[in-house]
Order: sequence, then C-alpha cells, then structure tokens
Amino acid sequence: AQSVTQLGSHVSVSEGALVLLRCNYSSSVPPYLFWYVQYPNQGLQLLLKYTTGATLVKGINGFEAEFKKSETSFHLTKPSAHMSDAAEYFCAVSGPSGGYNKLIFGAGTRLAVHP
Amino acid sequence: KAGVTQTPRYLIKTRGQQVTLSCSPISGHRSVSWYQQTPGQGLQFLFEYFSETQRNKGNFPGRFSGRQFSNSRSEMNVSTLELGDSALYLCASSLEQVGPQDTQYFGPGTRLTVL
Repeated sequence: AQSVTQLGSHVSVSEGALVLLRCNYSSSVPPYLFWYVQYPNQGLQLLLKYTTGATLVKGINGFEAEFKKSETSFHLTKPSAHMSDAAEYFCAVSGPSGGYNKLIFGAGTRLAVHP
Repeated sequence: KAGVTQTPRYLIKTRGQQVTLSCSPISGHRSVSWYQQTPGQGLQFLFEYFSETQRNKGNFPGRFSGRQFSNSRSEMNVSTLELGDSALYLCASSLEQVGPQDTQYFGPGTRLTVL
C-alpha cells in the first residue's frame, strides 16, 4: 500500500528565508509524487510532480523538489520565502497499483511566512 | 478556458437528509475524481469517473455514490447524512488520467455542514 508522511504540521519562516517542507513516501512500486498547495477557501493547485527521469523537479512560483529513492523522500524547497507563499502544502503519491487518478495525500504542512 | 466549477459552494443539511453535489470539469476533460477533506482524516479519495463509468473508488461506505453524464459533468450523492460527513468535497478533472503525465485540476470545493 502507498502512504505519505509529511514531517511538521506547521512550519514558520521569515520572509526571504529558505523554505523546506518534508515528505517521505512508502510505495512497493516506483511512485509518482506530487506537491499541491491550498490557499484559504480554495481548491488544490499543482506545484510540481515527479513521474520519471530527472530527479530534481522544478515547479511554479520558484519551488522545486528532489526525488531521493534511497531516502524515500520528496522534500519541497524554495530558496527565498515570500509572504504570498503562506498556505497549506500537501505531498501526494499515486501509481499503477492504486490508479494514477487516485492520489494518496499526506496530512499537510501549514506554512507561515512572517516579515 | 474556464476551470473546474462546483456547485453549490456551501451547503447546510441535517442528519438523515441526503445531498447532491455537482461538478463541471474543464472543457474537454473526461475524467472526474472526488475527494473528501476533513481536519481529522485529511484528503481522501472517494471515486473517479471516466466516460460515465466508475473507474476507481476509495474506502467509503455505500452511502456515498456518484455518477457522470455524457457531457462529463459529475454529481456525487450522500444519503442518510451523518455529522462526520461535514467536510470540504473537492472535485478534480483531467483529460483521461491514464498516466501521471495527465494533471488533475481541482475545483474550489463544496463546504458541507451537517447539523
């Protein structure tokens, strides 16, 4: 069975500081990994995804994530936080065993950015 | 191109009632998935429809059902509502979702409150 663990339900950073949101996955087959962002009273927006190929994935709004198979991790980073990055972030996994359309989400990490 | 639309945005029901939520996918998208989001259980996959057929389903009781019409619009129904059904219900659409390269686009959700 596939699962996702996000370390830290709340992360707080200063504007301009590095953002690091942690995600570890469990999957018996090569996973497909995703990061979504949710702003208040809105749906989910895809930031980036890893399917195959290059393990460093670049997404929107300056975010990137690196797939590390040996560590079963897919951490999300951004070099310099902006106030507009404050939101909830979800890591998700899917794969052929459960269905590509069936996203298994982590519990989410709420990111706060302070001046 | 218009995004995924969900109606209504907010809904209040009482225990024992039933409710129907609607989702209109992005034009040209044929796959529609539904997710439930609660503070306690997080984001959970309900089911996915493609070409009017349920193609995948999550672990929810039979009180939760759905359908898809020939124009790809989808509805989900919850019968005999329970307090625990209070949640944000998110709909996502994609072209065909036969692989991870096909991105799921989420709507803003319907906030259901059961009293």
